[in-house]
Amino acid sequence: AQKVTQAQTEISVVEKEDVTLDCVYETRDTTYYLFWYKQPPSGELVFLIRRNSFDEQNEISGRYSWNFQKSTSSFNFTITASQVVDSAVYFCALSEETGTASKLTFGTGTRLQVTL
Amino acid sequence: NAGVTQTPKFRILKIGQSMTLQCTQDMNHNYMYWYRQDPGMGLKLIYYSVGAGITDKGEVPNGYNVSRSTTEDFPLRLELAAPSQTSVYFCASKRGYEQYFGPGTRLTVT
Repeated sequence: AQKVTQAQTEISVVEKEDVTLDCVYETRDTTYYLFWYKQPPSGELVFLIRRNSFDEQNEISGRYSWNFQKSTSSFNFTITASQVVDSAVYFCALSEETGTASKLTFGTGTRLQVTL
Repeated sequence: NAGVTQTPKFRILKIGQSMTLQCTQDMNHNYMYWYRQDPGMGLKLIYYSVGAGITDKGEVPNGYNVSRSTTEDFPLRLELAAPSQTSVYFCASKRGYEQYFGPGTRLTVT
């Protein structure tokens, strides 16, 4: 069975600090996808990134960066120079690609609070 | 494109009542999903569908039913509402490897 663990329940930082959100996953599949979603206070889910299991290159998008390490089964997310608008719950998710439908397994989320 | 739409946005049910949560997508996606999100938790898969006429159970299907008569619509039915079904329900459709989520329906059963 697949599992995603986000051990950090809540993180509070002051604006402009860097913050890393941890994600550890378990799967027996050799082909899988990892995702990060943002859920702002308004409640919708905002897609941030998808990474496949064969691509371990780190990715940077503006102030966001992701570090995928298969050796430690981790897919961590760093926000550089955090802003108040980054306050949200962030979910890491794993997609099982066997069979006819990909099904997402979500972690329990990390609530990020950025204050002035 | 409206994307994935869900109705209603909010609903309060009494124990034992039934209701249908509506989900519609206008992107012609074959794959559709229903998730629930309990307070402080991640999303859990209730049911999914790989195309019209084909549905299957997810991780937490008990107490729910689905049907998929068209590509666009994937309604979720609660037959006998219980307090344990108080949650936020998200519908999603998929293209490629990305799932597109609706805005959610907040359901309270008292």
